Amino acid sequence: GAGVSQSPSNKVTEKGKDVELRCDPISGHTALYWYRQSLGQGLEFLIYFQGNSAPDKSGLPSDRFSAERTGGSVSTLTIQRTQQEDSAVYLCASSIRQVINEQFFGPGTRLTVL
Amino acid sequence: DAKTTQPTSMDCAEGRAANLPCNHSTISGNEYVYWYRQIHSQGPQYIIHGLKNNETNEMASLIITEDRKSSTLILPHATLRDTAVYYCIVRTLYNQGGKLIFGQGTELSVKP
Repeated sequence: GAGVSQSPSNKVTEKGKDVELRCDPISGHTALYWYRQSLGQGLEFLIYFQGNSAPDKSGLPSDRFSAERTGGSVSTLTIQRTQQEDSAVYLCASSIRQVINEQFFGPGTRLTVL
Repeated sequence: DAKTTQPTSMDCAEGRAANLPCNHSTISGNEYVYWYRQIHSQGPQYIIHGLKNNETNEMASLIITEDRKSSTLILPHATLRDTAVYYCIVRTLYNQGGKLIFGQGTELSVKP
């Protein structure tokens, strides 16, 4: 079956522009996570969705970052007024439910802010 | 969640067993040990997890010491495709919604 997909795979933008990154989780997975990985940095958690519950936004680095999940499936991560320090690989993961053992990761979107 | 300590890097000869250690001396009774790996330019991949008993699956074995303060991930016959960064993560099943807190991991290089 299809895994987690993300689009675009690469995004180059100019400082100050807004960007939207998309994640299509595995069908039937109720939990969805966004992480990012900066050059030389580890993976850091950004935001988490579980069913109809309020998302856990505790990892978002600033109010320029937001995410939504429509219909319990596709999620969009939006970064407004991008800065050079936002350059990173943004990874999406999903799991059957929040307490299930295995998170399945997508291939990521590489964002470069010039 | 408990903090983990892993060596920054390790080498292993192809076909030999790769033994990757992880220290988690502050682990609490309801915390599990998880292992993920990240092959270059890919997203992380789940490998195995355990609570206190040793575990084995088609990818690896997990050995947890009796006091649970450390563990070892064993890849029994390492191949070049096992070259990756390996992350040891300790967390409860129900805490923090299941989000993963990654450390720096161990960069394993499997050499011919």
